[in-house]
Amino acid sequence: NAGVMQNPRHLVRRRGQEARLRCSPMKGHSHVYWYRQLPEEGLKFMVYLQKENIIDESGMPKERFSAEFPKEGPSILRIQQVVRGDSAAYFCASSLLRGGTGPNYGYTFGSGTRLTVV
Amino acid sequence: LAKTTQPISMDSYEGQEVNITCSHNNIATNDYITWYQQFPSQGPRFIIQGYKTKVTNEVASLFIPADRKSSTLSLPRVSLSDTAVYYCLVMTNTGNQFYFGTGTSLTVIP
Repeated sequence: NAGVMQNPRHLVRRRGQEARLRCSPMKGHSHVYWYRQLPEEGLKFMVYLQKENIIDESGMPKERFSAEFPKEGPSILRIQQVVRGDSAAYFCASSLLRGGTGPNYGYTFGSGTRLTVV
Repeated sequence: LAKTTQPISMDSYEGQEVNITCSHNNIATNDYITWYQQFPSQGPRFIIQGYKTKVTNEVASLFIPADRKSSTLSLPRVSLSDTAVYYCLVMTNTGNQFYFGTGTSLTVIP
């Protein structure tokens, strides 16, 4: 049972290009979360999705950022017209149940995608 | 969204026990306390979770006093490979997101 798979591990984009980050949750997990981590900082929540639905996108910038979790395939975090300030590590986590508490607790994180905007 | 406060950094010698304390003064009744470990260039990894009193697993122990406004992660006999950032989170089964804070950067010295 593979863990949370994120790809690519490293992504370099020029300013103004688009970045697409993919996340395949653990088998059986239908809850996906995206977090962003700037250098020397903790992880900041961006968006929480269930299959085909965005549940909470309160942490995601209103412009240029979007996320989806289609019925089939991985979750995608899309950043349009990237700027240098978008350079960060983007982590995806998945869980079996919402909230991560109780017998089926735990969020499993992927290894992240490191986006560098040049 | 319950926030947490931890020391920014700690140093310890190999073989010693390390205790990292976290404050979560506005923890709610349904909240659990969870600790994650993060190595450079990797995603956070679950260590332990508890609600009250003491929880122990093969990696660590978690001590939670009766008022639950703080918790202490205890790592027995640390090794160099335990050098990492440790995050204390307050999690709820009705929540969508968690506050990671800046974590505690633990450095184990030979």
